[in-house]
Amino acid sequence: DADVTQTPRNRITKTGKRIMLECSQTKGHDRMYWYRQDPGLGLRLIYYSFDVKDINKGEISDGYSVSRQAQAKFSLSLESAIPNQTALYFCATSDFAGPTRDEQFFGPGTRLTVL
Amino acid sequence: EDQVTQSPEALRLQEGESSSLNCSYTVSGLRGLFWYRQDPGKGPEFLFTLYSAGEEKEKERLKATLTKKESFLHITAPKPEDSATYLCAAAGFMNYGGSQGNLIFGKGTKLSVKP
Repeated sequence: DADVTQTPRNRITKTGKRIMLECSQTKGHDRMYWYRQDPGLGLRLIYYSFDVKDINKGEISDGYSVSRQAQAKFSLSLESAIPNQTALYFCATSDFAGPTRDEQFFGPGTRLTVL
Repeated sequence: EDQVTQSPEALRLQEGESSSLNCSYTVSGLRGLFWYRQDPGKGPEFLFTLYSAGEEKEKERLKATLTKKESFLHITAPKPEDSATYLCAAAGFMNYGGSQGNLIFGKGTKLSVKP
C-alpha cells in the first residue's frame, strides 16, 4: 500500500461548488502539506500542519481551507470553486527531526478541473 | 528573499550523452537541499538530500553535489527511462511560510532522453 494516498484522483466540478480533497498517510509523520502545481509556476504551498492542533497558511491560501482530523489525515476544501483553481493538487508529509528530516513524501495527486 | 532557481528549463539529450542540471539557491541558513524526480501527472519522487557543502550522493546514473550556492545533478550515460522533470528544493533554518523546514521548490528542469 502507498504511504501517502489521495482521494479522489480526478475530479471535475462546476463553479461555485464545494469540493473536498482528502489525504491519508501511514508514514507516522507529524507534518503534512497541501500544494498545487500549475504549468510554469511549479509547486506552491497552500497550507501546512505540524500536528492536529497546529495549522498554518502557506503562500496561496485564499479560497482554500483545511482540516487535520488526525495525525494521519489532512483534508483540503475549496468552499466555492472557481476556474482558476483548476490544477494538480498534492499532499505531502515529513518529519521535522531525525535522519530524514524535511524530506517530503508526496501522494499521487488529485487532478481538479473547475468548469 | 529565499529562492531556488533551476536551469536549464528543458534539456534534450541523446541516450548516453552525459550532462548536468543546475540548482542555485538563496536561503538564510541551509537545513537541506533536496532533489526529486517527477513523471507527468504523478507526485514528485524523492531522490537525494544534501546537508552540507562538499557532500555528494549517488544513485544509479545520478549523482548530486552541493556547494554553498548551488547544487548539481549529474546524469551519466542517460537512458530514455531517465526522461522526467527534476525538481530541486531547499529548506532553511529561517522562516519560509512561517516555519523552519518548509521547502522552497524550483520550477524544475524537464529532461528528455532520445534513443
